[in-house]
Amino acid sequence: QQQVKQSPQSLIVQKGGISIINCAYENTAFDYFPWYQQFPGKGPALLIAIRPDVSEKKEGRFTISFNKSAKQFSLHIMDSQPGDSATYFCAASQNQGGKLIFGQGTELSVKP
Amino acid sequence: DTGVSQNPRHKITKRGQNVTFRCDPISEHNRLYWYRQTLGQGPEFLTYFQNEAQLEKSRLLSDRFSAERPKGSFSTLEIQRTEQGDSAMYLCASSLGAAARGTQYFGPGTRLLVL
Repeated sequence: QQQVKQSPQSLIVQKGGISIINCAYENTAFDYFPWYQQFPGKGPALLIAIRPDVSEKKEGRFTISFNKSAKQFSLHIMDSQPGDSATYFCAASQNQGGKLIFGQGTELSVKP
Repeated sequence: DTGVSQNPRHKITKRGQNVTFRCDPISEHNRLYWYRQTLGQGPEFLTYFQNEAQLEKSRLLSDRFSAERPKGSFSTLEIQRTEQGDSAMYLCASSLGAAARGTQYFGPGTRLLVL
Protein backbone atom coordinates (compact mmCIF):
# COMPACT_ATOMS: atom_id res chain seq x y z
CA GLN A 1 0.00 0.00 0.00
CA GLN A 2 3.01 2.23 0.42
CA GLN A 3 4.20 1.74 -3.16
CA VAL A 4 4.25 4.29 -5.93
CA LYS A 5 4.41 2.72 -9.38
CA GLN A 6 5.97 4.71 -12.21
CA SER A 7 6.01 4.17 -15.95
CA PRO A 8 7.60 4.04 -18.43
CA GLN A 9 11.03 2.99 -17.22
CA SER A 10 12.64 4.84 -20.13
CA LEU A 11 11.42 7.34 -22.68
CA ILE A 12 12.90 8.77 -25.88
CA VAL A 13 11.37 11.98 -27.24
CA GLN A 14 12.31 14.25 -30.11
CA LYS A 15 13.23 17.85 -29.37
CA GLY A 16 10.09 19.94 -29.20
CA GLY A 17 7.88 16.96 -28.39
CA ILE A 18 5.84 16.21 -25.27
CA SER A 19 7.20 13.87 -22.61
CA ILE A 20 4.62 12.11 -20.45
CA ILE A 21 5.43 10.10 -17.32
CA ASN A 22 2.79 8.36 -15.25
CA CYS A 23 2.52 7.31 -11.62
CA ALA A 24 -0.06 5.39 -9.61
CA TYR A 25 -0.48 4.96 -5.87
CA GLU A 26 -2.62 2.97 -3.45
CA ASN A 27 -2.45 4.82 -0.16
CA THR A 28 -5.32 7.32 -0.05
CA ALA A 29 -3.67 9.05 2.93
CA PHE A 30 -0.99 10.51 0.66
CA ASP A 31 -1.46 14.28 0.55
CA TYR A 32 1.57 15.59 -1.32
CA PHE A 33 2.90 14.49 -4.73
CA PRO A 34 6.20 15.97 -5.92
CA TRP A 35 8.26 15.28 -9.02
CA TYR A 36 12.04 15.30 -8.85
CA GLN A 37 14.63 15.57 -11.61
CA GLN A 38 17.99 13.91 -11.17
CA PHE A 39 21.13 14.20 -13.28
CA PRO A 40 23.87 11.56 -13.06
CA GLY A 41 25.96 11.92 -9.92
CA LYS A 42 23.67 14.59 -8.44
CA GLY A 43 20.95 14.62 -5.82
CA PRO A 44 17.29 14.86 -6.85
CA ALA A 45 16.03 18.40 -7.45
CA LEU A 46 12.41 19.35 -6.87
CA LEU A 47 10.67 20.15 -10.15
CA ILE A 48 7.02 20.66 -9.33
CA ALA A 49 4.53 19.35 -6.76
CA ILE A 50 0.78 19.05 -6.34
CA ARG A 51 -1.74 18.40 -3.58
CA PRO A 52 -4.92 16.33 -4.02
CA ASP A 53 -7.25 19.30 -3.79
CA VAL A 54 -6.36 20.41 -7.34
CA SER A 55 -6.44 18.49 -10.61
CA GLU A 56 -3.68 20.30 -12.46
CA LYS A 57 -0.67 22.49 -11.77
CA LYS A 58 1.49 24.17 -14.37
CA GLU A 59 4.91 25.76 -14.00
CA GLY A 60 6.52 26.84 -17.23
CA ARG A 61 6.88 23.82 -19.51
CA PHE A 62 6.04 21.38 -16.71
CA THR A 63 2.48 20.31 -15.84
CA ILE A 64 1.20 17.82 -13.28
CA SER A 65 -2.20 16.25 -13.91
CA PHE A 66 -3.82 14.62 -10.89
CA ASN A 67 -6.73 12.14 -10.91
CA LYS A 68 -7.76 11.51 -7.32
CA SER A 69 -10.45 8.93 -8.10
CA ALA A 70 -8.07 6.86 -10.22
CA LYS A 71 -5.18 7.44 -7.77
CA GLN A 72 -2.93 8.47 -10.63
CA PHE A 73 -0.84 11.50 -11.48
CA SER A 74 1.37 12.37 -14.38
CA LEU A 75 4.08 14.78 -15.46
CA HIS A 76 3.92 16.44 -18.86
CA ILE A 77 6.99 18.21 -20.24
CA MET A 78 6.03 20.44 -23.14
CA ASP A 79 8.52 21.47 -25.85
CA SER A 80 11.06 18.94 -24.52
CA GLN A 81 14.68 20.01 -24.83
CA PRO A 82 17.95 18.01 -24.83
CA GLY A 83 18.76 19.67 -21.48
CA ASP A 84 15.70 17.91 -20.03
CA SER A 85 17.46 14.55 -20.49
CA ALA A 86 17.60 13.18 -16.96
CA THR A 87 15.92 10.68 -14.66
CA TYR A 88 12.54 11.75 -13.29
CA PHE A 89 11.02 10.42 -10.10
CA CYS A 90 7.50 10.81 -8.82
CA ALA A 91 6.97 10.59 -5.09
CA ALA A 92 4.26 10.78 -2.47
CA SER A 93 4.04 11.53 1.23
CA GLN A 94 1.46 11.97 3.94
CA ASN A 95 0.97 13.97 7.12
CA GLN A 96 2.34 17.15 5.57
CA GLY A 97 6.02 16.47 5.66
CA GLY A 98 6.58 12.81 6.32
CA LYS A 99 8.89 10.52 4.43
CA LEU A 100 8.76 10.47 0.65
CA ILE A 101 7.90 7.23 -1.14
CA PHE A 102 9.52 7.32 -4.58
CA GLY A 103 8.61 5.67 -7.84
CA GLN A 104 11.19 3.60 -9.70
CA GLY A 105 12.21 6.43 -12.00
CA THR A 106 11.98 7.23 -15.72
CA GLU A 107 15.10 7.85 -17.74
CA LEU A 108 14.22 10.53 -20.30
CA SER A 109 16.32 11.11 -23.39
CA VAL A 110 15.46 14.06 -25.64
CA LYS A 111 16.99 13.72 -29.08
CA PRO A 112 18.02 16.88 -30.98
CA ASP B 1 21.08 29.98 1.07
CA THR B 2 23.81 27.43 0.47
CA GLY B 3 21.53 24.42 0.14
CA VAL B 4 21.99 21.01 1.74
CA SER B 5 25.61 19.92 1.89
CA GLN B 6 27.00 16.42 2.41
CA ASN B 7 30.49 15.19 3.17
CA PRO B 8 32.34 13.33 1.95
CA ARG B 9 31.04 13.18 -1.60
CA HIS B 10 32.71 9.83 -2.22
CA LYS B 11 33.89 7.10 0.12
CA ILE B 12 35.64 3.85 -0.71
CA THR B 13 36.08 1.42 2.14
CA LYS B 14 36.84 -2.21 2.75
CA ARG B 15 34.24 -4.65 3.97
CA GLY B 16 34.05 -4.66 7.75
CA GLN B 17 35.16 -1.06 8.24
CA ASN B 18 33.02 1.65 9.81
CA VAL B 19 32.09 4.79 7.90
CA THR B 20 30.44 8.05 8.92
CA PHE B 21 28.72 10.59 6.70
CA ARG B 22 27.73 14.13 7.56
CA CYS B 23 24.80 16.22 6.38
CA ASP B 24 24.35 19.97 6.91
CA PRO B 25 20.76 20.99 6.18
CA ILE B 26 19.48 24.32 4.96
CA SER B 27 19.60 26.64 7.94
CA GLU B 28 16.26 27.03 9.75
CA HIS B 29 15.03 23.70 8.36
CA ASN B 30 13.86 21.66 11.34
CA ARG B 31 13.41 18.34 9.54
CA LEU B 32 16.25 16.23 8.21
CA TYR B 33 15.88 13.01 6.23
CA TRP B 34 18.24 10.24 5.14
CA TYR B 35 17.59 8.14 2.03
CA ARG B 36 19.56 5.45 0.24
CA GLN B 37 19.62 5.12 -3.54
CA THR B 38 21.02 2.18 -5.48
CA LEU B 39 21.74 2.27 -9.19
CA GLY B 40 18.64 2.51 -11.32
CA GLN B 41 16.27 2.83 -8.37
CA GLY B 42 14.43 5.61 -6.62
CA PRO B 43 15.62 6.81 -3.22
CA GLU B 44 14.47 4.69 -0.28
CA PHE B 45 13.68 6.27 3.07
CA LEU B 46 15.96 5.41 5.99
CA THR B 47 15.13 7.78 8.84
CA TYR B 48 14.18 11.33 9.70
CA PHE B 49 14.57 13.86 12.49
CA GLN B 50 12.54 16.78 13.66
CA ASN B 51 15.05 18.98 15.44
CA GLU B 52 17.10 16.49 17.48
CA ALA B 53 14.36 13.87 17.83
CA GLN B 54 14.51 10.83 15.56
CA LEU B 55 10.85 10.39 14.60
CA GLU B 56 10.89 7.41 12.26
CA LYS B 57 13.25 4.66 11.20
CA SER B 58 12.79 2.32 8.27
CA ARG B 59 13.22 -1.41 8.72
CA LEU B 60 15.95 -0.96 6.08
CA LEU B 61 17.97 0.65 8.85
CA SER B 62 19.56 -2.42 10.40
CA ASP B 63 21.31 -2.28 13.76
CA ARG B 64 24.57 -1.61 11.91
CA PHE B 65 23.21 1.80 10.95
CA SER B 66 22.85 4.68 13.37
CA ALA B 67 21.93 8.28 12.78
CA GLU B 68 22.18 11.26 15.08
CA ARG B 69 21.30 14.92 15.06
CA PRO B 70 22.62 15.99 18.45
CA LYS B 71 21.89 19.72 18.39
CA GLY B 72 19.14 19.79 15.84
CA SER B 73 21.44 21.12 13.13
CA PHE B 74 23.81 18.79 11.25
CA SER B 75 23.33 15.03 11.22
CA THR B 76 25.63 12.04 10.96
CA LEU B 77 24.90 8.59 9.56
CA GLU B 78 27.24 5.83 10.67
CA ILE B 79 27.46 2.37 9.16
CA GLN B 80 29.32 -0.19 11.22
CA ARG B 81 30.91 -3.34 9.82
CA THR B 82 30.16 -2.36 6.25
CA GLU B 83 29.03 -4.98 3.76
CA GLN B 84 29.19 -4.94 -0.03
CA GLY B 85 25.42 -4.56 -0.09
CA ASP B 86 25.79 -1.19 1.61
CA SER B 87 27.29 0.25 -1.58
CA ALA B 88 24.89 2.99 -2.64
CA MET B 89 24.34 6.73 -2.78
CA TYR B 90 23.31 8.10 0.62
CA LEU B 91 21.15 11.18 0.26
CA CYS B 92 20.20 13.75 2.84
CA ALA B 93 17.26 16.12 2.54
CA SER B 94 15.84 18.86 4.72
CA SER B 95 12.54 20.67 5.01
CA LEU B 96 10.61 23.11 7.13
CA GLY B 97 8.31 20.20 7.99
CA ALA B 98 4.61 20.78 8.25
CA ALA B 99 5.14 24.52 7.86
CA ALA B 100 6.24 23.95 4.27
CA ARG B 101 3.81 21.08 3.76
CA GLY B 102 6.38 18.54 2.77
CA THR B 103 8.85 20.20 0.42
CA GLN B 104 12.16 18.40 0.80
CA TYR B 105 15.42 19.69 -0.64
CA PHE B 106 18.14 17.16 -1.33
CA GLY B 107 21.89 17.37 -1.02
CA PRO B 108 24.34 16.03 -3.62
CA GLY B 109 24.73 12.71 -1.83
CA THR B 110 27.63 10.60 -0.59
CA ARG B 111 28.50 7.72 -2.86
CA LEU B 112 29.75 4.72 -0.88
CA LEU B 113 31.65 1.82 -2.42
CA VAL B 114 32.41 -1.17 -0.21
CA LEU B 115 35.12 -3.44 -1.58
